Amino acid sequence: QSALTQPASVSGSPGQSITVSCTGTSSDVGNYNYVSWYQQHPGKAPRLMIYDVSNRPSGVSNRFSGSKSGNTASLTISGLQAEDDADYYCTSYTGSSTPYVFGTGTKVTVL
Amino acid sequence: QVQLQQSGPGLVKPSQTLSLTCAISGDSVSSNSAAWNWIRQSPSRGLEWLGRTYYRSKWYYDSATSVKSRIFINPDTSKNQFSLQLNSVIPEDTAVYYCARASGTNWIGHSFDVWGQGAMVTVSS
Repeated sequence: QSALTQPASVSGSPGQSITVSCTGTSSDVGNYNYVSWYQQHPGKAPRLMIYDVSNRPSGVSNRFSGSKSGNTASLTISGLQAEDDADYYCTSYTGSSTPYVFGTGTKVTVL
Repeated sequence: QVQLQQSGPGLVKPSQTLSLTCAISGDSVSSNSAAWNWIRQSPSRGLEWLGRTYYRSKWYYDSATSVKSRIFINPDTSKNQFSLQLNSVIPEDTAVYYCARASGTNWIGHSFDVWGQGAMVTVSS
């Protein structure tokens, strides 16, 4: 199972909106509504930000939103803030013998 | 709130067994709505799901194809924890290892909502 493809880096100024893409295949992202997104600051464990494509866990800012079209899922961060500067990873259920595949990761930089 | 506390050695010799434990507080390893996972992260392989165990009237175990022949994940109901054993380790198994909970209302949740603090494990002689 190949990793999901994410851009290496995305940047934006405070207050702007950015979108991080996550491209898979018809066997994973395109076939299941089980895409989740994680934020990771240096030296810390990942934190769940979006689950099941577009749902936010309790405590996650509504500035974070998720969507999916075909084989590509997207994470949008609106009203960018300094604390959003982090790495972001997507993951998808695959239904295969290895049920989860992660994305390659995106470094979000707040300018 | 639910917390996961990891423990285990940080250095393992090649060909030996990597062993980590994840102690659960605020939930039960026997929960009918959670699954208990091991995930690792390295610069060369990124984030990689390794395996899980969960209880739905009986115990279930799943593991990644890449480590299937070498991995064992064991629940310990008496201590409310679960463990990872990875046999015959090689330098490429060097990584930060995380335990994580997946929970949901369906048979099994597909997102990892609680994570352990992570444990750096180096495979070297």
